Amino acid sequence: QVVQSGAEIKTPGSSVKVSCRSSGNTLATYTISWVRQAPGQGLEWVGRIVPIFGVAHYAQKFRDRVTITADKVTTTSYMELTSLTFEDTAIYYCATEETGSSTWGQGTLVIVSS
Amino acid sequence: EIVLTQSPGTLSLSPGERATLSCRASQSVSSSYLAWYQQKPGQAPRLLIYGTSNRATGIPDRFSGSGSGTDFTLTISRLEPEDFAVYYCQQYVPSTEGFSFGPGTKVDFK
Repeated sequence: QVVQSGAEIKTPGSSVKVSCRSSGNTLATYTISWVRQAPGQGLEWVGRIVPIFGVAHYAQKFRDRVTITADKVTTTSYMELTSLTFEDTAIYYCATEETGSSTWGQGTLVIVSS
Repeated sequence: EIVLTQSPGTLSLSPGERATLSCRASQSVSSSYLAWYQQKPGQAPRLLIYGTSNRATGIPDRFSGSGSGTDFTLTISRLEPEDFAVYYCQQYVPSTEGFSFGPGTKVDFK
């Protein structure tokens, strides 16, 4: 099971940090991806991390303002997005993945509003 | 940058019918790196197919994937009521170690 943190309302220019906790595994064999979905829009890949190596990769679009981390002890991943704009309003999903399966969190709504 | 295009945008069918969804890439994509997801309203996406033609854990065999190079297809042999949803293809690009999604195909009731 993957559980994400609750909804956030942020102002333009601020940052948001969303958590994603995976229960029942040690993250040793998983990667964790982050995907977002703006209202009424399609899916957009943000980035992913391989916790066992601590290595993250990001979509070019977000590369200068997103950081994805993973804590193997607490089996929790975090996605921090800085310099928020109205266009960052979206549901942010995380998913733990291994070959042939993925388990998704419930999504975290981030609203950017002045 | 490899861009994925999906067609049709909307597919209107009835339960029991066959659904054929297309995903086209602007450049050749390795078959190992093409996946399909299903998303229902208000729900997170669900992995259906990985590596072009491998069903993910727990996915019924009415779902199948095929294709190579720039053209990939998701086929639902006989639509069940729970299959009406939006379907996204996704690619992985090793050179950038990044992923991208197509714009999606909505399968709705005729």
